[in-house]
Amino acid sequence: QSVLTQPPSVSGAPGQRVTISCTGSSSNIGAGNDVHWYQHLPGTAPKLLIYGDTNRPSGVPDRFSASKSDTSASLAITGLQAEDEADYFCQSYDTTLTALVFGGGTKLTVL
Amino acid sequence: VQLVESGGGLVNPGGSLRLSCAVSGFTFSNYVMTWVRQAPGKGMEWVSSISGSSTYISYADSLKGRCTISRDNAKNSLYLQMNSLRAEDAAVYYCARLIGGGFSQYYFDFWGQGTLVTVSS
Repeated sequence: QSVLTQPPSVSGAPGQRVTISCTGSSSNIGAGNDVHWYQHLPGTAPKLLIYGDTNRPSGVPDRFSASKSDTSASLAITGLQAEDEADYFCQSYDTTLTALVFGGGTKLTVL
Repeated sequence: VQLVESGGGLVNPGGSLRLSCAVSGFTFSNYVMTWVRQAPGKGMEWVSSISGSSTYISYADSLKGRCTISRDNAKNSLYLQMNSLRAEDAAVYYCARLIGGGFSQYYFDFWGQGTLVTVSS
């Protein structure tokens, strides 16, 4: 059971907008610890998408954005493309566990 | 930046394995490095981190006492020695570079492709 909770799957048609939630608690996201998002194609290296709650590394399209509120965070992908089909997971730090923690991952299917 | 893991494979329960991560493209000694694993069908799990000079080391409770993280800055390499392996340790093990201004900000900016560890008799 992952410390951060994500929906197992989401889907959308090309061009549409989808969001992926990441729900934590008062000891991680709710404690003000940063949330980060990654894209992962099985068999490849995970790729950093968003760091520090809302920041995109250079090279990440602005179709990817994120937000955070209270004990949850959310990743939004607009203008869905076939190449976006992948697993997405969130990560933060848990102050009580004194550990880096992850969401269980969400598989995005582009219909 | 490249991170390439190796050393995974099939091991009997109770056995040992040493994973390696060869790094290139950045000044290795300047960065905290981390092992993260993903069991089949599960989410990512932080395993262990080591500071650039090996001064600070931390382990997840699930592996504490059964694994040792180390690094050789002269060889640009990160290691994870795992002992007394259990079926639940079976996973893809990734090495990743950790970056950030402190615990509350830490994130992974580069990852390797992972090495598969299978624990079975």
